[in-house]
Amino acid sequence: NAGVTQTPKFQVLKTGQSMTLQCAQDMNHEYMSWYRQDPGMGLRLIHYSVGAGITDQGEVPNGYNVSRSTTEDFPLRLLSAAPSQTSVYFCASSYSSVAWELFFGEGSRLTVL
Amino acid sequence: AQTVTQSQPEMSVQEAETVTLSCTYDTSESDYYLFWYKQPPSRQMILVIRQEAYKQQNATENRFSVNFQKAAKSFSLKISDSQLGDAAMYFCARYSGNTPLVFGKGTRLSVIA
Repeated sequence: NAGVTQTPKFQVLKTGQSMTLQCAQDMNHEYMSWYRQDPGMGLRLIHYSVGAGITDQGEVPNGYNVSRSTTEDFPLRLLSAAPSQTSVYFCASSYSSVAWELFFGEGSRLTVL
Repeated sequence: AQTVTQSQPEMSVQEAETVTLSCTYDTSESDYYLFWYKQPPSRQMILVIRQEAYKQQNATENRFSVNFQKAAKSFSLKISDSQLGDAAMYFCARYSGNTPLVFGKGTRLSVIA
């Protein structure tokens, strides 16, 4: 049972480059979300989705795009990478948005030079 | 805005002793849920314990228990008989209304042999 799979696990970008962090889950979860983790800041919500075709912004959405064309996949796109986007990114999913346990991927460490 | 506060950035405990991690939160909802997540050096996020606000009884999971003080909006985590494997970052999180899970900034727990 794979759970939540994130790729890549590590990535180095130059300022201005674009990239997509992939997230896939095989638990038929309706709710998926992206967080970023920075030292001393905890986890901050970037975007989330309550089902295929539905996305919404979290606390820190600027510079990121998401889409949810299938239940399984929830990619996060960095449009024009900036050094401030250097962070560890986590994808998480749950059965629903209503207070169920979040299942996390292993995280993706992104460095923007 | 950060609405979950962990006032202890770092804590340490002797092996086999008991430690309490503090968390306070803010919400205007009467129905909400509180969580403690553990993040060991592997970076994987692991659910430790969950508390429904409507339940007066404090949640317990083996060596982990909470002290839920609803009026004070306090949700502390007690770890009994601390083990070396308990060393990790601990995050308090709150779900309320339709707002996705909001995390505190975390407390780094060290366990001293």
